[in-house]
Amino acid sequence: DTAVSQTPKYLVTQMGNDKSIKCEQNLGHDTMYWYKQDSKKFLKIMFSYNNKELIINETVPNRFSPKSPDKAHLNLHINSLELGDSAVYFCASSRQGNPNQPQHFGDGTRLSIL
Amino acid sequence: AQSVAQPEDQVNVAEGNPLTVKCTYSVSGNPYLFWYVQYPNRGLQFLLKYITGDNLVKGSYGFEAEFNKSQTSFHLKKPSALVSDSALYFCAVRDIKSGNTGKLIFGQGTTLQVKP
Repeated sequence: DTAVSQTPKYLVTQMGNDKSIKCEQNLGHDTMYWYKQDSKKFLKIMFSYNNKELIINETVPNRFSPKSPDKAHLNLHINSLELGDSAVYFCASSRQGNPNQPQHFGDGTRLSIL
Repeated sequence: AQSVAQPEDQVNVAEGNPLTVKCTYSVSGNPYLFWYVQYPNRGLQFLLKYITGDNLVKGSYGFEAEFNKSQTSFHLKKPSALVSDSALYFCAVRDIKSGNTGKLIFGQGTTLQVKP
């Protein structure tokens, strides 16, 4: 059973479009994250939610909007896609209460902007 | 500012030989350090962490890491490399300034290539 699942796995779209990526975890975790991995494999956190509350909001264009309908889901909506948004986006989750708990990652969504 | 550095973009080792993937850190206060591995087209997988206690930490798949406070290093090691260990390895430090959010700062990654 997949612990952290993201859909879609691949997303190819035109510049200017709006798209969403969904993430679900079945680990019973309270904290979820979105990361961006660029073409050089550099990994940077974008957002984090704890029990549906936003706790990390890095310097990310406001075209990116996370939404957490419940603690098992964290979706990422991106408006007006730009060429520079092409990357792999990873969702992750961890247990609440101990910030040193390992994070569990999904397999990523590969976003390509044409 | 807190940071972590992986000085080698790639490490090549022959199967059966010991391997080391280097990581150095810069933090104010006690460091909380992690190693993750990423296989092609997969997400990161947790290998091990150092929070406190014994400087030699054992993790998954036979990996271990040695915390060295004087050298501010946390190198990943394995006594005998396998071809299947070939992957991208990330060192990370918890960003203490972000409180208990669990925010991690990652190194740039090191590609490990194990040749048969």
